[in-house]
Amino acid sequence: KAGVTQTPRYLIKTRGQQVTLSCSPISGHRSVSWYQQTPGQGLQFLFEYFSETQRNKGNFPGRFSGRQFSNSRSEMNVSTLELGDSALYLCASSSPGTYNEQFFGPGTRLTVL
Amino acid sequence: AQTVTQSQPEMSVQEAETVTLSCTYDTSESDYYLFWYKQPPSRQMILVIRQEAYKQQNATENRFSVNFQKAAKSFSLKISDSQLGDAAMYFCAYRSGRGSARQLTFGSGTQLTVLP
Repeated sequence: KAGVTQTPRYLIKTRGQQVTLSCSPISGHRSVSWYQQTPGQGLQFLFEYFSETQRNKGNFPGRFSGRQFSNSRSEMNVSTLELGDSALYLCASSSPGTYNEQFFGPGTRLTVL
Repeated sequence: AQTVTQSQPEMSVQEAETVTLSCTYDTSESDYYLFWYKQPPSRQMILVIRQEAYKQQNATENRFSVNFQKAAKSFSLKISDSQLGDAAMYFCAYRSGRGSARQLTFGSGTQLTVLP
Protein backbone atom coordinates (compact mmCIF):
# COMPACT_ATOMS: atom_id res chain seq x y z
CA LYS A 1 0.00 0.00 0.00
CA ALA A 2 1.40 3.38 -0.94
CA GLY A 3 2.17 5.78 1.89
CA VAL A 4 1.09 9.35 2.39
CA THR A 5 2.37 11.59 -0.38
CA GLN A 6 2.84 15.32 -0.27
CA THR A 7 3.53 17.73 -3.09
CA PRO A 8 5.57 19.69 -3.65
CA ARG A 9 8.44 18.63 -1.43
CA TYR A 10 10.12 22.01 -1.48
CA LEU A 11 8.75 25.45 -2.12
CA ILE A 12 10.18 28.96 -2.06
CA LYS A 13 7.84 31.93 -1.94
CA THR A 14 8.10 35.61 -1.10
CA ARG A 15 6.23 37.55 1.52
CA GLY A 16 2.68 38.42 0.57
CA GLN A 17 2.25 35.53 -1.83
CA GLN A 18 -0.04 32.60 -1.25
CA VAL A 19 0.72 28.90 -1.42
CA THR A 20 -1.18 25.65 -1.77
CA LEU A 21 0.15 22.34 -0.49
CA SER A 22 -1.29 18.98 -1.38
CA CYS A 23 -1.59 15.72 0.52
CA SER A 24 -2.77 12.32 -0.70
CA PRO A 25 -3.59 9.94 2.15
CA ILE A 26 -3.11 6.22 2.32
CA SER A 27 -5.83 4.42 0.40
CA GLY A 28 -8.85 3.86 2.63
CA HIS A 29 -7.92 6.57 5.12
CA ARG A 30 -10.58 9.26 5.38
CA SER A 31 -9.00 11.49 7.99
CA VAL A 32 -6.22 13.91 7.10
CA SER A 33 -4.44 16.14 9.59
CA TRP A 34 -1.93 18.92 9.00
CA TYR A 35 0.92 19.99 11.26
CA GLN A 36 3.45 22.78 11.13
CA GLN A 37 6.97 22.08 12.36
CA THR A 38 9.38 24.90 13.16
CA PRO A 39 12.55 24.99 15.27
CA GLY A 40 11.01 27.54 17.62
CA GLN A 41 7.47 26.26 18.08
CA GLY A 42 7.98 22.57 17.42
CA LEU A 43 5.13 20.52 16.01
CA GLN A 44 1.78 22.27 16.06
CA PHE A 45 -1.58 21.00 14.89
CA LEU A 46 -3.21 23.02 12.13
CA PHE A 47 -6.45 21.22 11.28
CA GLU A 48 -8.06 17.89 10.58
CA TYR A 49 -10.46 16.91 7.84
CA PHE A 50 -12.75 13.92 7.70
CA SER A 51 -15.14 13.16 4.86
CA GLU A 52 -14.64 16.62 3.37
CA THR A 53 -15.47 18.37 6.66
CA GLN A 54 -13.12 20.20 8.96
CA ARG A 55 -13.42 18.34 12.23
CA ASN A 56 -10.87 20.15 14.34
CA LYS A 57 -8.74 23.25 14.11
CA GLY A 58 -5.62 24.42 15.89
CA ASN A 59 -4.72 27.91 17.01
CA PHE A 60 -3.62 29.45 13.74
CA PRO A 61 -4.76 32.65 12.03
CA GLY A 62 -7.38 32.62 9.32
CA ARG A 63 -4.67 32.89 6.66
CA PHE A 64 -4.30 29.16 7.07
CA SER A 65 -7.10 27.19 5.50
CA GLY A 66 -7.68 23.77 4.07
CA ARG A 67 -10.09 21.53 2.34
CA GLN A 68 -10.63 17.90 1.56
CA PHE A 69 -11.96 16.35 -1.61
CA SER A 70 -14.27 13.40 -2.10
CA ASN A 71 -11.27 11.12 -2.75
CA SER A 72 -9.86 12.18 0.66
CA ARG A 73 -7.01 14.16 -0.85
CA SER A 74 -6.45 17.37 1.05
CA GLU A 75 -4.99 20.75 0.35
CA MET A 76 -3.91 23.48 2.68
CA ASN A 77 -3.58 27.09 1.67
CA VAL A 78 -1.67 29.90 3.27
CA SER A 79 -2.46 33.39 2.07
CA THR A 80 -0.41 36.55 2.53
CA LEU A 81 2.71 34.66 3.49
CA GLU A 82 4.89 35.94 6.31
CA LEU A 83 8.50 35.10 7.07
CA GLY A 84 7.35 33.17 10.12
CA ASP A 85 5.40 30.77 7.93
CA SER A 86 8.67 29.18 6.86
CA ALA A 87 8.35 25.63 8.15
CA LEU A 88 8.03 21.97 7.38
CA TYR A 89 4.37 21.18 6.81
CA LEU A 90 3.45 17.62 7.60
CA CYS A 91 0.34 15.82 6.57
CA ALA A 92 -0.88 12.67 8.29
CA SER A 93 -3.65 10.28 7.42
CA SER A 94 -5.41 8.24 10.00
CA SER A 95 -6.59 4.69 9.85
CA PRO A 96 -10.09 3.75 10.88
CA GLY A 97 -10.44 1.77 14.06
CA THR A 98 -9.61 2.07 17.72
CA TYR A 99 -6.14 3.47 17.66
CA ASN A 100 -6.52 5.91 14.80
CA GLU A 101 -2.80 5.89 14.31
CA GLN A 102 -1.50 8.72 12.22
CA PHE A 103 0.81 7.95 9.33
CA PHE A 104 2.85 10.89 8.16
CA GLY A 105 3.97 12.03 4.76
CA PRO A 106 7.49 13.27 3.99
CA GLY A 107 6.46 16.90 4.42
CA THR A 108 6.66 20.04 2.34
CA ARG A 109 9.50 22.41 3.20
CA LEU A 110 8.22 25.98 2.69
CA THR A 111 10.68 28.84 2.69
CA VAL A 112 9.34 32.40 2.69
CA LEU A 113 11.80 35.09 1.61
CA ALA B 1 -5.44 21.65 27.49
CA GLN B 2 -3.05 18.78 27.39
CA THR B 3 0.69 19.33 27.46
CA VAL B 4 3.59 17.00 26.75
CA THR B 5 7.06 17.61 28.16
CA GLN B 6 10.33 16.09 27.07
CA SER B 7 13.02 17.39 29.39
CA GLN B 8 16.00 15.92 27.55
CA PRO B 9 16.76 17.94 24.40
CA GLU B 10 19.70 15.63 23.57
CA MET B 11 20.80 12.16 24.53
CA SER B 12 23.58 9.90 23.37
CA VAL B 13 24.13 6.18 23.65
CA GLN B 14 26.85 3.76 22.68
CA GLU B 15 25.95 1.28 19.99
CA ALA B 16 24.49 -1.95 21.50
CA GLU B 17 23.75 -0.20 24.79
CA THR B 18 20.36 0.74 26.25
CA VAL B 19 18.94 4.25 26.52
CA THR B 20 15.78 5.65 28.06
CA LEU B 21 14.03 8.78 26.82
CA SER B 22 11.71 10.57 29.22
CA CYS B 23 8.28 12.05 28.65
CA THR B 24 5.70 13.46 31.02
CA TYR B 25 2.27 14.74 30.17
CA ASP B 26 -0.52 16.63 31.80
CA THR B 27 -4.18 15.81 31.26
CA SER B 28 -7.42 15.63 33.17
CA GLU B 29 -8.75 12.92 30.89
CA SER B 30 -8.82 9.24 31.74
CA ASP B 31 -9.10 7.93 28.19
CA TYR B 32 -6.19 8.71 25.92
CA TYR B 33 -3.38 7.29 23.83
CA LEU B 34 0.33 7.93 23.96
CA PHE B 35 2.80 7.51 21.13
CA TRP B 36 6.49 7.71 20.41
CA TYR B 37 7.45 8.90 16.95
CA LYS B 38 10.89 8.91 15.39
CA GLN B 39 12.00 11.56 12.91
CA PRO B 40 15.30 10.77 11.17
CA PRO B 41 17.18 13.34 9.08
CA SER B 42 14.85 12.57 6.17
CA ARG B 43 12.12 14.27 8.28
CA GLN B 44 9.73 11.35 7.76
CA MET B 45 7.81 10.81 11.01
CA ILE B 46 7.69 7.12 11.87
CA LEU B 47 5.52 5.60 14.57
CA VAL B 48 7.67 3.63 16.99
CA ILE B 49 5.24 2.47 19.64
CA ARG B 50 1.83 3.28 21.13
CA GLN B 51 0.19 2.81 24.51
CA GLU B 52 -3.48 2.88 25.44
CA ALA B 53 -4.09 4.54 28.78
CA TYR B 54 -6.57 1.87 29.86
CA LYS B 55 -3.96 -0.86 29.48
CA GLN B 56 -1.72 -1.44 32.48
CA GLN B 57 0.68 -3.62 30.52
CA ASN B 58 3.57 -1.71 29.00
CA ALA B 59 3.78 -1.84 25.21
CA THR B 60 6.73 -3.53 23.52
CA GLU B 61 7.83 -3.54 19.91
CA ASN B 62 11.01 -5.53 19.34
CA ARG B 63 13.86 -3.48 20.85
CA PHE B 64 11.52 -0.67 21.89
CA SER B 65 9.50 -0.71 25.08
CA VAL B 66 7.76 1.84 27.24
CA ASN B 67 7.41 2.39 30.95
CA PHE B 68 3.92 3.81 31.37
CA GLN B 69 3.19 5.21 34.80
CA LYS B 70 -0.37 6.54 34.60
CA ALA B 71 -0.56 7.99 38.11
CA ALA B 72 2.70 9.83 37.61
CA LYS B 73 1.73 10.78 34.03
CA SER B 74 5.02 9.47 32.78
CA PHE B 75 5.71 7.65 29.51
CA SER B 76 9.36 6.80 28.90
CA LEU B 77 10.81 4.97 25.92
CA LYS B 78 13.54 2.37 26.33
CA ILE B 79 15.65 1.40 23.35
CA SER B 80 17.64 -1.78 23.84
CA ASP B 81 20.65 -2.89 21.80
CA SER B 82 20.87 0.56 20.19
CA GLN B 83 21.77 0.63 16.52
CA LEU B 84 23.21 3.39 14.35
CA GLY B 85 19.88 3.56 12.54
CA ASP B 86 18.15 4.56 15.76
CA ALA B 87 19.79 7.99 15.60
CA ALA B 88 16.95 10.47 15.15
CA MET B 89 14.73 12.99 16.87
CA TYR B 90 12.18 11.24 19.07
CA PHE B 91 8.83 12.82 19.84
CA CYS B 92 6.38 11.82 22.52
CA ALA B 93 2.77 12.52 21.57
CA TYR B 94 -0.65 12.49 23.24
CA ARG B 95 -4.06 11.96 21.73
CA SER B 96 -7.35 12.24 23.51
CA GLY B 97 -9.61 9.21 23.50
CA ARG B 98 -12.72 11.37 23.71
CA GLY B 99 -14.80 12.27 20.69
CA SER B 100 -13.63 11.98 17.13
CA ALA B 101 -10.64 14.32 17.18
CA ARG B 102 -7.39 12.71 16.17
CA GLN B 103 -5.01 15.59 16.71
CA LEU B 104 -1.71 14.83 18.33
CA THR B 105 -0.06 17.03 20.93
CA PHE B 106 3.69 16.65 20.69
CA GLY B 107 6.55 17.20 23.07
CA SER B 108 9.56 19.25 22.02
CA GLY B 109 11.60 16.20 21.09
CA THR B 110 14.81 14.47 22.14
CA GLN B 111 17.69 14.26 19.69
CA LEU B 112 19.28 10.83 20.05
CA THR B 113 22.85 10.25 18.89
CA VAL B 114 24.17 6.71 18.62
CA LEU B 115 27.94 6.44 18.99
CA PRO B 116 29.77 3.64 17.16
